[in-house]
Amino acid sequence: EADIYQTPRYLVIGTGKKITLECSQTMGHDKMYWYQQDPGMELHLIHYSYGVNSTEKGDLSSESTVSRIRTEHFPLTLESARPSHTSQYLCASSEQGRSRRDEQYFGPGTRLTVT
Amino acid sequence: AQKITQTQPGMFVQEKEAVTLDCTYDTSDPSYGLFWYKQPSSGEMIFLIYQGSYDQQNATEGRYSLNFQKARKSANLVISASQLGDSAMYFCAMREGPGSGYSTLTFGKGTMLLVSP
Repeated sequence: EADIYQTPRYLVIGTGKKITLECSQTMGHDKMYWYQQDPGMELHLIHYSYGVNSTEKGDLSSESTVSRIRTEHFPLTLESARPSHTSQYLCASSEQGRSRRDEQYFGPGTRLTVT
Repeated sequence: AQKITQTQPGMFVQEKEAVTLDCTYDTSDPSYGLFWYKQPSSGEMIFLIYQGSYDQQNATEGRYSLNFQKARKSANLVISASQLGDSAMYFCAMREGPGSGYSTLTFGKGTMLLVSP
């Protein structure tokens, strides 16, 4: 079972601030993902990575950016936060090629509120 | 078109009874995987059960079983002997393509399950 961590768990920040949401996993998973989820709604994939130096945009357009310099670390950055960015952000990881299931393991999420 | 459809926004069940949560999917890929996740009010997503498109038998994991009807493109989750702790949001998701490849998950809108004493 994967251990995947997200910090902060809760963040309230003013409009225009730069923020970075941290995500780390300790299982050496190649694939990592960021989802955005409004309360009571479905998850939307905003970014994913297949390994170091690989990043792709997901199905939902997002003003955020990501980087993957180390296998275990996949931070998400918003250069200028806006109230429309208020949401929950979930990070996930999965092993590539080792499991036919390729199930994703999720972190606890970061609830972001932009005032 | 929606790739994953969950038609039940909310479901109510009494403790110890069984409940079925519906999920239909749409894909033309012969190789795919279907997942169910549970999301309690705390927000984390918990993997429950997986069904591969080539699996001959319906998946089971403890009190969870998946009623997989390939021709109808449905993958309903059955929870037997419901417990109060089962109250949560449940999401059906699909991976198109083999698990060893480059693929992502598409999630349905979810079903809120409330278990009453």
